[in-house]
Amino acid sequence: DVKVTQSSRYLVKRTGEKVFLECVQDMDHENMFWYRQDPGLGLRLIYFSYDVKMKEKGDIPEGYSVSREKKERFSLILESASTNQTSMYLCASTSSIWEQYFGPGTRLTVT
Amino acid sequence: AQSVAQPEDQVNVAEGNPLTVKCTYSVSGNPYLFWYVQYPNRGLQFLLKYITGDNLVKGSYGFEAEFNKSQTSFHLKKPSALVSDSALYFCAVRDPLYTGTASKLTFGTGTRLQVTL
Repeated sequence: DVKVTQSSRYLVKRTGEKVFLECVQDMDHENMFWYRQDPGLGLRLIYFSYDVKMKEKGDIPEGYSVSREKKERFSLILESASTNQTSMYLCASTSSIWEQYFGPGTRLTVT
Repeated sequence: AQSVAQPEDQVNVAEGNPLTVKCTYSVSGNPYLFWYVQYPNRGLQFLLKYITGDNLVKGSYGFEAEFNKSQTSFHLKKPSALVSDSALYFCAVRDPLYTGTASKLTFGTGTRLQVTL
């Protein structure tokens, strides 16, 4: 079975802190994604990566950056966390143009 | 730009009854459509997809979806609901203009399905 893991299930940070969210997949997938999930807004794509060191902006990249130094790991970085970044963050990976495999999510609260 | 709409925030159905979760889409070109399910405190799981061919697509856990091009709809259905089907359901469409290998998806806002005894 494909396994996508995220470093934390719950995270509480203060405004202005630098925040790292880590995602690891064990299926040698080329493509990895970061979404945020908010009630009434569904999932929105922040960034994705189609290869090591390659990245593309999604629909809402402002305030975020990403890093992919190894194929299995995709990190989401909040350079200076703000309260409007309080959300559920979901990582996904895929090797094809079809099904994406999701991690369990990280619920981030910025106070 | 492509989009999907899920007009119902919540659908309530009694166990054993048929269920329908609605989705309509807007996309240029051929639509590639998906349904995902999110159980409480879990990530999303793939249910089924429509690429081409038969308008009735069968997926996991007894779910199926009906593609209707004239109505631009892709409704999720199940003949007999179970309490364990209670979850959040997302419809998604693949960006047809993106030619890379990554499957860039646009998701709907989600519909909460509540199945009661």
